[in-house]
Amino acid sequence: GAGVSQSPRYKVAKRGQDVALRCDPISGHVSLFWYQQALGQGPEFLTYFQNEAQLDKSGLPSDRFFAERPEGSVSTLKIQRTQQEDSAVYLCASSSGPDRARGIYEQYFGPGTRLTVT
Amino acid sequence: AQKVTQAQTEISVVEKEDVTLDCVYETRDTTYYLFWYKQPPSGELVFLIRRNSFDEQNEISGRYSWNFQKSTSSFNFTITASQVVDSAVYFCALSEYLFYNQGGKLIFGQGTELSVKP
Repeated sequence: GAGVSQSPRYKVAKRGQDVALRCDPISGHVSLFWYQQALGQGPEFLTYFQNEAQLDKSGLPSDRFFAERPEGSVSTLKIQRTQQEDSAVYLCASSSGPDRARGIYEQYFGPGTRLTVT
Repeated sequence: AQKVTQAQTEISVVEKEDVTLDCVYETRDTTYYLFWYKQPPSGELVFLIRRNSFDEQNEISGRYSWNFQKSTSSFNFTITASQVVDSAVYFCALSEYLFYNQGGKLIFGQGTELSVKP
């Protein structure tokens, strides 16, 4: 089946604008994660959904960042009043776990959205 | 606190050489999971392997092999007879399984950029 898809692939925003980034996970995957990857760095966790419930948002850097997954499938990451430091690649990943038998499952990543704030 | 260290920032080898990418991790938990991902120039993270903390058997998959040693908190990755297509950034990642509803967010290392020259 299809992998994780993200749109748009590239986004240029002027400082102060709001942006919305979309993620379509692999069909049937319960878990959905958002990560932020700065240039030359490893991805950093932002937030986690299990179905439609946002169970961990400890990585969101400020209250300008908001994520939702209202029907337990597609997710949107919204950044309000963008700042230059928000420039990064935003990665979405999904997995079919966790479960009590196997524990943590591997995550499958989308191609990312490269956000540039000017 | 959880931490992953990939001390090698860049490695350059000539095709057909063997190369080992180092990964050292820190965690206070007895149940955890380790992963390797490949990020080619196209940017999409590709899952390579998942290993749980109770399974210390080494694994081989074609030209790839992984050596997990709990005594030294290391999970090293070896590519045998490297090829130009192996050129990419490789990330080691750690996930703890503290609670069922945490989902298993990944803590990534800084990555090692591997360049394989013909």
